[in-house]
Amino acid sequence: NAGVTQTPKFRILKIGQSMTLQCTQDMNHNYMYWYRQDPGMGLKLIYYSVGAGITDKGEVPNGYNVSRSTTEDFPLRLELAAPSQTSVYFCASTFSGGASTGELFFGEGSRLTVL
Amino acid sequence: AQSVAQPEDQVNVAEGNPLTVKCTYSVSGNPYLFWYVQYPNRGLQFLLKYITGDNLVKGSYGFEAEFNKSQTSFHLKKPSALVSDSALYFCVDSGGYQKVTFGIGTKLQVIP
Repeated sequence: NAGVTQTPKFRILKIGQSMTLQCTQDMNHNYMYWYRQDPGMGLKLIYYSVGAGITDKGEVPNGYNVSRSTTEDFPLRLELAAPSQTSVYFCASTFSGGASTGELFFGEGSRLTVL
Repeated sequence: AQSVAQPEDQVNVAEGNPLTVKCTYSVSGNPYLFWYVQYPNRGLQFLLKYITGDNLVKGSYGFEAEFNKSQTSFHLKKPSALVSDSALYFCVDSGGYQKVTFGIGTKLQVIP
């Protein structure tokens, strides 16, 4: 099993550009999450999903959009990239019960720089 | 989600010595406590959790943690530190909610 796979690993964007960070998991997990990690700031939850077709906002959703059309995939869309979105993005998933009681499985991260 | 406190930004320990990374949780509600580790330039990995049951929880890589209700603590411990244990450690209390967030963590440096 590959676990949680994120692409791309690195990306440089210009201000105002858009892009999609891809996340896919092969563990048949129904819960999926997107976090961003900034130096000295911990991880902040952007969006999460409890199953296909269901998404909800986390702490810092502004400037991002998500969709969950399949159990496996949970892409994160950045519209009109801004320097404040320079960060490392992590996708995570877990099984029934969600992050409240189950351990999160993380991808290796996507490092995004907006110039 | 509930919050926890990791009072030390960094912990230094000599290789072979026991290590402790401290975590205290808030009293309100039932704690659902987790420890995660992040090695440099990697995603986070689950180490162990306490939901109910035995207060002493054993996890991956020889780590363990004790749930102490009277002291509202869930300190992470290992009897003998390895240089490869050097990483960023996160304590999390999900509080039974989905919106789990992570603080800044504690950086563990094991000195050869």
